[in-house]
Amino acid sequence: SAVISQKPSRDICQRGTSLTIQCQVDSQVTMMFWYRQQPGQSLTLIATANQGSEATYESGFVIDKFPISRPNLTFSTLTVSNMSPEDSSIYLCSVGAGAGGYEQYFGPGTRLTVT
Amino acid sequence: LAKTTQPISMDSYEGQEVNITCSHNNIATNDYITWYQQFPSQGPRFIIQGYKTKVTNEVASLFIPADRKSSTLSLPRVSLSDTAVYYCLPLNTGFQKLVFGTGTRLLVSP
Repeated sequence: SAVISQKPSRDICQRGTSLTIQCQVDSQVTMMFWYRQQPGQSLTLIATANQGSEATYESGFVIDKFPISRPNLTFSTLTVSNMSPEDSSIYLCSVGAGAGGYEQYFGPGTRLTVT
Repeated sequence: LAKTTQPISMDSYEGQEVNITCSHNNIATNDYITWYQQFPSQGPRFIIQGYKTKVTNEVASLFIPADRKSSTLSLPRVSLSDTAVYYCLPLNTGFQKLVFGTGTRLLVSP
């Protein structure tokens, strides 16, 4: 298993500003993922961030809006740029299990409110 | 985009067995089926995975029919602490197509 922490746990931001969310893992992992979860809804994958390659974004998400960094095997950041109230959501990072496993381990999430 | 659907909510009482179904009609040959539990203000927690027939671990069983177009998570003798949202997620070893199910909100009452 992996233990994942995220910073900040929550934030309230003004529209037009940007917020960078950090994700720290207690072990080296190849696959890392960023999700968005709106209140009462399921999780939606934003992008896959594998170390050593450019992040791969899902349909509806673009790098200019959600730039991702993956500088090493234990850390990643997601920036929510030029925020609007529609970006209010919970943002979660996760890592994929190694050795052919199928499970993901999730961080506690970052609750973002844009006013 | 493939849609993975679940009942919106289920109610149960302590000590009962709860079965939550997930429909994944477009599952691929290489996909496994995983299930997660999520409590408020927490990230999802992995429960169980399976490919076909039946898988059991210390907390749940997973039933997958031969056509694999659906799966059923079975929670034996639920307690109040099992109140949570449960998600299914078909995926392959490459972690592609990470489309979570719509989620089922389980409420366990005394």
